Amino acid sequence: EIVLTQSPGTLSLSPGEGATLSCRASQSVSRSYLAWYQQKPGQAPRLLIYDASSRATGIPDRFSGSGSGTDFTLTISRLEPEDFAVYYCQQYGSSPRTFGQGTKVEIK
Amino acid sequence: EVQLVQSGAEVKKPGESLKISCKASGYSFTSNWIGWVRQMPGKGLEWMGFIYPGDSDTRYSPSFQGQVTISADKSISTAYLQWSSLKASDTAMYYCAREMGYCTTFCPDSAFDIWGQGTMVTVSS
Repeated sequence: EIVLTQSPGTLSLSPGEGATLSCRASQSVSRSYLAWYQQKPGQAPRLLIYDASSRATGIPDRFSGSGSGTDFTLTISRLEPEDFAVYYCQQYGSSPRTFGQGTKVEIK
Repeated sequence: EVQLVQSGAEVKKPGESLKISCKASGYSFTSNWIGWVRQMPGKGLEWMGFIYPGDSDTRYSPSFQGQVTISADKSISTAYLQWSSLKASDTAMYYCAREMGYCTTFCPDSAFDIWGQGTMVTVSS
């Protein structure tokens, strides 16, 4: 089973700042099959990025993903008020699929 | 509109059985895998397993194998998650979600693009 470790646990930033979230895998993620999700309180997760760098339908271009192998990054170029949430990475290149433990992006 | 609509919140006692549902609409139910994800109170997401409704092929995370059963009824485009004997530690929000890969002669591995609204299960004596 691939273990995903996200860092940092919490990111305290102001609107307009940029955010860089990391997701490290315990072994190589096959074909860069890695996704990022956003979850706000009381809501279901929402897909942001799939295949490490492809934006899902309707996702603003301030969200971008990069990486391969064992190291992946989600970048939010300029934080909007609605971007403060918890972000999860997930690998789907092997079974069982697994999620990281999440990074909370909070308002500073 | 593609959507997954889950059954309502449940309050159960330890030892009771439970089956929750996830009804799909707006797409061909037998063309995509559907998974289940647990979120315990205040915690992160855990992948439980998934099913391909086309032939009911089912895979489980080792953490959930033997603890739950995933099934589907393609005649009514509905997936299910069930427990035979609930424990207090099963208290959580449960989400169903569709893998976006469209199955033809094979099913591509893919992310979850559509999520249900969640079903809260509370197990307490």
